[in-house]
Amino acid sequence: KAGVTQTPRYLIKTRGQQVTLSCSPISGHRSVSWYQQTPGQGLQFLFEYFSETQRNKGNFPGRFSGRQFSNSRSEMNVSTLELGDSALYLCASSLDGTTDTQYFGPGTRLTVL
Amino acid sequence: AQKVTQAQTEISVVEKEDVTLDCVYETRDTTYYLFWYKQPPSGELVFLIRRNSFDEQNEISGRYSWNFQKSTSSFNFTITASQVVDSAVYFCALSVYMKGNTPLVFGKGTRLSVIA
Repeated sequence: KAGVTQTPRYLIKTRGQQVTLSCSPISGHRSVSWYQQTPGQGLQFLFEYFSETQRNKGNFPGRFSGRQFSNSRSEMNVSTLELGDSALYLCASSLDGTTDTQYFGPGTRLTVL
Repeated sequence: AQKVTQAQTEISVVEKEDVTLDCVYETRDTTYYLFWYKQPPSGELVFLIRRNSFDEQNEISGRYSWNFQKSTSSFNFTITASQVVDSAVYFCALSVYMKGNTPLVFGKGTRLSVIA
């Protein structure tokens, strides 16, 4: 069974631009969660999607948004990028939710210049 | 609110030594799940174990073992006869069961370096 895939793996953007990251979950998994990892703040939850609906949202500004498609694939978007958005963005999928085992993708490393 | 504390920021051991990574959690809920993940330099979080709050049995998987003690709110992870390939950052995490479930709350991680 294929694991969680994320594209692109690396991204360099400049302040003010916007970016879209993509995540394909493990086949059969309906829940997709996104996390931001930085050296200072560690791993922080962004949001979770289940059956195309946002079920949970972390404490991030509205510039961070996401969506899930009918095939469970998910995208997250960050608008008006700031230097502090530089981070590793990890996507995780699970069968039904965040108390299930979440399997993580390799991440997208975003650098904002 | 939930919280996970991994007090050990970095640990360095010589190959073949045993090492224990500490994890202390806080939650008022009675139904919760604890996890350990490994993050090698490649960046991907690799799942190691999931344990629910009603199962306090310790678990052993090869060189890995986990000690869950509700009385002290701890879920410690021991690697026996460590190897260089065990070098990574290890994260303990907590999720609480409620409507919609809560997201994983991670500790800050413990960086383990195993020296040959």
